[in-house]
Amino acid sequence: LAKTTQPISMDSYEGQEVNITCSHNNIATNDYITWYQQFPSQGPRFIIQGYKTKVTNEVASLFIPADRKSSTLSLPRVSLSDTAVYYCLVGDRTLVFGKGTRLSVIA
Amino acid sequence: GAVVSQHPSWVICKSGTSVKIECRSLDFQATTMFWYRQFPKQSLMLMATSNEGSKATYEQGVEKDKFLINHASLTLSTLTVTSAHPEDSSFYICSGADQETQYFGPGTRLLVL
Repeated sequence: LAKTTQPISMDSYEGQEVNITCSHNNIATNDYITWYQQFPSQGPRFIIQGYKTKVTNEVASLFIPADRKSSTLSLPRVSLSDTAVYYCLVGDRTLVFGKGTRLSVIA
Repeated sequence: GAVVSQHPSWVICKSGTSVKIECRSLDFQATTMFWYRQFPKQSLMLMATSNEGSKATYEQGVEKDKFLINHASLTLSTLTVTSAHPEDSSFYICSGADQETQYFGPGTRLLVL
């Protein structure tokens, strides 16, 4: 199972774009890259998933370089409600959670 | 996105009793379901993987006789914590896999007194 490395915490002001980068040097050919958001006392919420290149949905963008050894989650114009823990996971089925990135959005 | 529900959302029980937690995939069929446990200020820890109609696969250090998992249908998996003790108090989260993506339930808070 691929391991991931991401910053422990990040701070941002409201309205700014936030980019969280995740390293996954040992990603396997069949592995997808998935990002989740978790609020206290709630289950993780799916944000976005990709295999390669760029993926965009209504809440975020995911940038994946050609070697797939890293990925960057981009959150446009964050608000206070985006304060949460963000997890980057790689795998084709079973997911192993790392410590995640605690994002704090400041007014 | 796909929706997973859990019931109950929280439960308080006496030490020595058993507690059953249900996990349902509401709008998709989950061939594989997963059970996680999360302690305060920590990340999710995978407990077991269950495939519909077969025995669950438990992670190292998780007692299969204490945490009974049943995955009887493509939309329902249950986790029974048998003879619960205070150290089993935790936040239990299930997920269902829809192809390459896992969707998580809202979690069940268990407090054993």
